[in-house]
Amino acid sequence: QGQLVQSGSQLKKPGASVKVSCKASGYTFTDHAINWVRQAPGQGLEWMGWINTDTGNPTYAQGFTGRFVFSLDTSVSTAYLQISSLKVEDTAMYFCARVPRKLGFDYWGQGTLVTVAS
Amino acid sequence: SYELTQPPSVSVSPGQTARITCSGDALPNQYAYWYQQKPGQAPVRVIYKDTERPSGIPERFSGSSSGTTVTLTISGVQAEDEADYYCQSADNSSTSYVFGPGTKVTVL
Repeated sequence: QGQLVQSGSQLKKPGASVKVSCKASGYTFTDHAINWVRQAPGQGLEWMGWINTDTGNPTYAQGFTGRFVFSLDTSVSTAYLQISSLKVEDTAMYFCARVPRKLGFDYWGQGTLVTVAS
Repeated sequence: SYELTQPPSVSVSPGQTARITCSGDALPNQYAYWYQQKPGQAPVRVIYKDTERPSGIPERFSGSSSGTTVTLTISGVQAEDEADYYCQSADNSSTSYVFGPGTKVTVL
């Protein structure tokens, strides 16, 4: 039974950076991609992109290039999302999710709330 | 960019059937998936590959597909089914995932 556990909520000032972690357990981390999903307050789910946990190759959705970086530390089965030059509009819940081929987003992290405010 | 379309809301009485549609041009070529999200919680997958139900998901949840539209059906709706429901699929080139805007299901 797989599980993804994310780091805790963070409050940041505009212009700062934040790094969110997503630790996997209960399965072989490198077998399945990790995707990232953003949910702004009161809004729907927005796909940010994914990282190949075998090769480390990231793919970013439109609107998530430049300030967003996906990375891995396979030694601790953890994926990371880093956002730089934070803006107020980056305030959102960020979810990681495991996505086995053709099976959809089957396991989700509990979400990490990032609040950007001065 | 590719988009999926869902109705904003569906209201249903307990015990009745709720149907939520999702439309997209690539749906004849791509599988659809459905997720339930309750307030303050992470989404939960309730249907995968158009019609498959994961273990642990009640049998009252079912999925169907016809052309450019997929449908999530909740038969015998219960109060606990009140939630937001999102469809998800991929574009025709399979390079991008997309979520629908979500449908709020209200149990009257």
